[in-house]
Amino acid sequence: GEDVEQSLFLSVREGDSSVINCTYTDSSSTYLYWYKQEPGAGLQLLTYIFSNMDMKQDQRLTVLLNKKDKHLSLRIADTQTGDSAIYFCAEYKAAGNKLTFGGGTRVLVKP
Amino acid sequence: EAGVAQSPRYKIIEKRQSVAFWCNPISGHATLYWYQQILGQGPKLLIQFQNNGVVDDSQLPKDRFSAERLKGVDSTLKIQPAKLEDSAVYLCASSLAPRGGYTFGSGTRLTVV
Repeated sequence: GEDVEQSLFLSVREGDSSVINCTYTDSSSTYLYWYKQEPGAGLQLLTYIFSNMDMKQDQRLTVLLNKKDKHLSLRIADTQTGDSAIYFCAEYKAAGNKLTFGGGTRVLVKP
Repeated sequence: EAGVAQSPRYKIIEKRQSVAFWCNPISGHATLYWYQQILGQGPKLLIQFQNNGVVDDSQLPKDRFSAERLKGVDSTLKIQPAKLEDSAVYLCASSLAPRGGYTFGSGTRLTVV
């Protein structure tokens, strides 16, 4: 199976909170990342969390990490129409210096 | 700081033709990556360079794909001959140091017909 898994789609109303979930398989991952991809664009690094942390907050973004369950989530507070994009989680493994991406979650923000 | 530059933005070729993509990473970034992103999927690593040496090319279809990074700066990725299943966006990324905080270019969208 895939190393990193995400749900395909999330629809949310403007102003509400969005929660995007991700599961990974490698407990040796040292960093976990969230990237955003808008149509026709490359991937933009949003935030990351080190594996010895369980939460990180950065303005409207909150990352939660459950290492026991290998579960990562990204919460976007006060979701705006500009947040409509595909969000990828990725795990970084120091062995091999490799970043492995999930399949992406398409977030649609409705006015 | 200038970003990662890629060209061309779009390319349409017939199957069995050849194509080349170019990437100019952020100045000073030692590590350069080429990813393939098929529509509806996450990016998949093709090859990783550290300066001008290949670190990982285990996922590169070497019978048709090749890449080089001369002088540890710019890089080119070539496909020869192209197949229909090579239709994808090819993303270049660079990083100053390991850990995964890569900066991506806008990608080259390849359509093979």
